[in-house]
Amino acid sequence: GNSVTQMEGPVTLSEEAFLTINCTYTATGYPSLFWYVQYPGEGLQLLLKATKADDKGSNKGFEATYRKETTSFHLEKGSVQVSDSAVYFCALSSYGSARQLTFGSGTQLTVLP
Amino acid sequence: DTAVSQTPKYLVTQMGNDKSIKCEQNLGHDTMYWYKQDSKKFLKIMFSYNNKELIINETVPNRFSPKSPDKAHLNLHINSLELGDSAVYFCASSQQDSPNTEAFFGQGTRLTVV
Repeated sequence: GNSVTQMEGPVTLSEEAFLTINCTYTATGYPSLFWYVQYPGEGLQLLLKATKADDKGSNKGFEATYRKETTSFHLEKGSVQVSDSAVYFCALSSYGSARQLTFGSGTQLTVLP
Repeated sequence: DTAVSQTPKYLVTQMGNDKSIKCEQNLGHDTMYWYKQDSKKFLKIMFSYNNKELIINETVPNRFSPKSPDKAHLNLHINSLELGDSAVYFCASSQQDSPNTEAFFGQGTRLTVV
């Protein structure tokens, strides 16, 4: 079956630090990959996505590249802000009659001023 | 104009009670889901409905029963609530035949059983 393994948190960084959150996956076929973000007290929002190998998803300064050879989709940001403090979820979705999002365990990020 | 809306946002109830959470989406999606998020933020899918038909029913107690009156609504009814049911429940929707498109989530319902 499909699975997503995500870097465990919590992660605490100072403002303007570089962020990497690791994500690897196991899936049959060619899944689409997503990063979702959950701000305190809110639901999940799509942050970025990539639908095929070597695609790079980007949004709000965050980037992730779909690496089929390493089955990875690591999230990066060059300079984090206090407002980036949230829980980040890596997820995958694949074709099939029972398509569903498979989520990683989430990584809590806290950015200190 | 909210895409996926759930009510209520907060629900505090006593053990043994029966409660319902409602969900509606205005995106025209054909698939809706219920997820449970525990205190460690782990998300677990509970149910998935496609065009009002159940397509995923993960191992959840049969006290949980989803109901989809039409493809824009998926309600979750919980009987005989237990302390362990306390969690945040998220409704989501997506288009089944397009895995490249993302799922949209509601704001969540924080259920507290006392």
